[in-house]
Amino acid sequence: AQSVTQLGSHVSVSEGALVLLRCNYSSSVPPYLFWYVQYPNQGLQLLLKYTSAATLVKGINGFEAEFKKSETSFHLTKPSAHMSDAAEYFCAVRIGAGSYQLTFGKGTKLSVIP
Amino acid sequence: DSGVTQTPKHLITATGQRVTLRCSPRSGDLSVYWYQQSLDQGLQFLIQYYNGEERAKGNILERFSAQQFPDLHSELNLSSLELGDSALYFCASRSTGEGNTIYFGEGSWLTVV
Repeated sequence: AQSVTQLGSHVSVSEGALVLLRCNYSSSVPPYLFWYVQYPNQGLQLLLKYTSAATLVKGINGFEAEFKKSETSFHLTKPSAHMSDAAEYFCAVRIGAGSYQLTFGKGTKLSVIP
Repeated sequence: DSGVTQTPKHLITATGQRVTLRCSPRSGDLSVYWYQQSLDQGLQFLIQYYNGEERAKGNILERFSAQQFPDLHSELNLSSLELGDSALYFCASRSTGEGNTIYFGEGSWLTVV
């Protein structure tokens, strides 16, 4: 069964510091992986997605993620954190070839300290 | 704005009652997904419809049901509500024209008291 694990339920960084949010996947087939962000009291917004075209994926708001098959990882990074990045981030894997449904990790809440 | 519309945004109801959550997918999207987000369970897939037919079922309780209508909007019906059903319910639709990307609505906050 395909699944994702997010390491760290809560990450705090200083404004301007590197953001690193970790996601490891488990899949018996080449996975399709996603990062979504949820700002307070809002819905889920797609940040970026990996669909096997390129291992380094650039998303919105300066975020990017690198697919590493050898490490079964898809960590999310941003070189310099902004206060506006404070939100909860979810890693997800697409399962079910026919339904395309997503299975989500438990989420990582990012706090940015001024 | 994802283009997925959910109503109501907030709902407070008593235990034992029944509620209906409504979702309009993005224009042209045939697939609708329902997810439940709660503090203890996280984001859980409930059910998916494609062009009016049920396509996949996840951790959906028997007290819950859904349907997708000919105009492609969907409704999630929650009955015999319990305190533990309090959660944020998301609807999402899948865009076949954008690599099957799934877009989420803003969610419907349900509080059962």
